[in-house]
Amino acid sequence: GENVEQHPSTLSVQEGDSAVIKCTYSDSASNYFPWYKQELGKRPQLIIDIRSNVGEKKDQRIAVTLNKTAKHFSLHITETQPEDSAVYFCAANLGNTGFQKLVFGTGTRLLVSP
Amino acid sequence: EAQVTQNPRYLITVTGKKLTVTCSQNMNHEYMSWYRQDPGLGLRQIYYSMNVEVTDKGDVPEGYKVSRKEKRNFPLILESPSPNQTSLYFCASSFFVGITDTQYFGPGTRLTVL
Repeated sequence: GENVEQHPSTLSVQEGDSAVIKCTYSDSASNYFPWYKQELGKRPQLIIDIRSNVGEKKDQRIAVTLNKTAKHFSLHITETQPEDSAVYFCAANLGNTGFQKLVFGTGTRLLVSP
Repeated sequence: EAQVTQNPRYLITVTGKKLTVTCSQNMNHEYMSWYRQDPGLGLRQIYYSMNVEVTDKGDVPEGYKVSRKEKRNFPLILESPSPNQTSLYFCASSFFVGITDTQYFGPGTRLTVL
């Protein structure tokens, strides 16, 4: 089955710095990679996702890159702000299942200090 | 307002006492799923449903049952809860059009089994 590893488990940055969170996956048939943000005591919310037919996707200060050969994908947050502080989860679908079966990473706690 | 609701939000129970956590969505979504979230383990999928009367196991289905008799509801049933099922549970839903739709999460149910 799919295995998703996420690093680092915690990340502290100063406001305005960039933050990068990395994930690797094991199932070469996986083709959907979403990222979720979970603020303290709240539900996870999708912030960006990428399909395997593209290598990079951007949405304002957030970008995701995908390297299918190496089976890893990364979340990049530029010009971080205190409100970016949260736990971020990557996920990958079990190959060829659409998004029905998602396997999540263990999460990265991002702390942005003013 | 489009939303996914869960009840109860908090529950403390004892080992072996059957319980049901309800999940309901008002967005006419075909796909619904249950996850549990544990510290250091991220989100793990318990069961999912592609449509009415269509359900399938996720990664950690042992000790859980689900049913999908109506499109809007997807209850999670613990026939004989045990302490290792103490966790934070999330229900999620989305349309199913391949891999193009966001999963919307409910607010979560914190379950403690004594």
